[in-house]
Amino acid sequence: SYVLTQPPSVSVAPGKTARITCGGNNIGNEGVHWYQQRPGQAPLLVVFDDSDRPSGIPERFSGSTSGNTATLTISRVEVGDEADYYCQVWDGSSDQGVFGGGTKLTVL
Amino acid sequence: QVQLVESGGNVVQPGRSLRLSCAASGFPFNNFAMHWVRQAPGKGLEWVATIWYDGSHKYYADSVNGRFTVSRDNFKNTLYLQMNSLRVEDTALYYCARDRGRIEYSFDYWGQGTLVTVSS
Repeated sequence: SYVLTQPPSVSVAPGKTARITCGGNNIGNEGVHWYQQRPGQAPLLVVFDDSDRPSGIPERFSGSTSGNTATLTISRVEVGDEADYYCQVWDGSSDQGVFGGGTKLTVL
Repeated sequence: QVQLVESGGNVVQPGRSLRLSCAASGFPFNNFAMHWVRQAPGKGLEWVATIWYDGSHKYYADSVNGRFTVSRDNFKNTLYLQMNSLRVEDTALYYCARDRGRIEYSFDYWGQGTLVTVSS
């Protein structure tokens, strides 16, 4: 089955740029989606189809893919961005959804 | 506004059954695929099942295939998850989530979840 690999944690200072990676075989061929989950809350879609943003999501959130890695970039990080972030794809070969293990973003 | 409200979670013994419901409002339910995603306590997200907007296609995670059945009633604007032969490892918060379209495979609205605890 398809596997997505994320670093367990990323730390960043306020105002700096955070980059969260998601590795998967030829992930650039898939549509990658990113979700933010704050403690005690339901997930929130922040990027879909590699790099598109839903309405209401700040431009500070952006996504990109290259080769076997997708990246969620959060610019000018704020304390409120502290959350768990998950990447997700649909594996067309098995017709199954796949989530990465999640990355805890800590704003120092 | 889009609302998804899950219900049906409970404490059940291993081997028993449970049916979850997700009441949808604020959008044309029959135009959107729907999904179930679960999260075990302190763990990450796990996709469980998907059903197309018209119910014509259904997909399941290997961990639940053959035990869980996803369905929908487009007249009642309700999504269901029938869970049979429950196992301790099925303990989780179960979210229903709306697809971005008829079938885009990303989830743009989520409910608050309903808790299923499987324990003897």
